[in-house]
Amino acid sequence: QVQLVQSGAEVKKPGSSVKVSCKASGGTFRSNTISWVRQAPGQGLEWMGRIFPSLAIANYAQNFQGRVTITADTSTNTAYMELSSLKFADTAVYYCATGSSPGFDYWGQGTLVTVSS
Amino acid sequence: EIVMTQSPATLSVSLGERATLSCRASQSVSNNLAWYQQKPGQAPRLLIYGASSRATGVPARFSVSGSGTEFTLTISSLQSEDFAVYHCQQYNNWPLTFGGGTKVEIK
Repeated sequence: QVQLVQSGAEVKKPGSSVKVSCKASGGTFRSNTISWVRQAPGQGLEWMGRIFPSLAIANYAQNFQGRVTITADTSTNTAYMELSSLKFADTAVYYCATGSSPGFDYWGQGTLVTVSS
Repeated sequence: EIVMTQSPATLSVSLGERATLSCRASQSVSNNLAWYQQKPGQAPRLLIYGASSRATGVPARFSVSGSGTEFTLTISSLQSEDFAVYHCQQYNNWPLTFGGGTKVEIK
């Protein structure tokens, strides 16, 4: 059973950056992609990008191109999502997710990022 | 990108009744669609993917139909634990996109 554990909540100023971690256990970190999905308060889900940990190759949604960087450390089975030039509209819960079937079988618990002046 | 539209935004249903949720894609996604259930304060949970594949532990009262651009999730007899928000997601094209969600509430 795969378990994804994310880092804790963050409060950031507009224009700054945030880096959220996602540590995987109970599965084969290298063999599946890890995606990041965010959910603004009261809103739907938005896919941000993904990484292939074994290849260190990341793909990003156009909406976040240039502002998001997804990386992975295979020695610690941890994926990271860094979002820069934060805006108030980036206030959201950020999830990491993975799975071997189409769709995401496993999700982290979510990390609330609040952008506030 | 493919736009996913879910309707209705809110569905009021009584215990034991059938619930029918719709998801429409702006272009064909074949059968490459997943459905998730999300309860307050929790991460989404994968329910069904593809034409009819239920994820592990998902009861048979959850079923899907449709292909191409029109999809339906049916909950045959609503139980108390089914009141939640349901999201559809296409994985036919990049970027992956989700619908806005349908909240199923107690009538």
